Amino acid sequence: DVKVTQSSRYLVKRTGEKVFLECVQDMDHENMFWYRQDPGLGLRLIYFSYDVKMKEKGDIPEGYSVSREKKERFSLILESASTNQTSMYLCASSLQTPKDTIYFGEGSWLTVV
Amino acid sequence: AQKITQTQPGMFVQEKEAVTLDCTYDTSDQSYGLFWYKQPSSGEMIFLIYQGSYDEQNATEGRYSLNFQKARKSANLVISASQLGDSAMYFCAMREGSFGNEKLTFGTGTRLTIIP
Repeated sequence: DVKVTQSSRYLVKRTGEKVFLECVQDMDHENMFWYRQDPGLGLRLIYFSYDVKMKEKGDIPEGYSVSREKKERFSLILESASTNQTSMYLCASSLQTPKDTIYFGEGSWLTVV
Repeated sequence: AQKITQTQPGMFVQEKEAVTLDCTYDTSDQSYGLFWYKQPSSGEMIFLIYQGSYDEQNATEGRYSLNFQKARKSANLVISASQLGDSAMYFCAMREGSFGNEKLTFGTGTRLTIIP
């Protein structure tokens, strides 16, 4: 069975803290993605990666960075968390064919206080 | 400009009725894919159905079908015989771009509520 696992389901962090959101997939997928989801805005792409050590900015990369040292792991980093980064974060992965389904993790609810 | 537009923020439908969720898209690519996902209150994203831009027939998966009208750039989801468990957020998404630059862009979603 396909599996994308996000390490933390619920987090509460303080403003200014460095936050790591981890994502692991077990499907040998080349592509991995980080989205954030906010009411009324749908899912917005933060960063994506199509290979180890490769990364591309999505639509809203400001305030975020990513790391992909191994194929199965894609980390989202908030260098200095702010309250406007309170959101649901979704990790996803896929093969590199147009028809391939993109598989999502269960999401991480981050609250910055 | 919005790449994916879902104009229905919320819908209420009687159980057992069919429902159509609207989705229009904007792309200049010739090759692209269209997806629908369901998101229950638990937050997980569940893949429902896929339509490729070169597919001539409308995609179907059980009670789900995709009404693909390429010239109108529309990809509506049709759920036949709705059930209470269909209550959820529904997202339309488009995958475009070439190798190494594929992105999946989502609409803002439609919250579907099935009434007993």
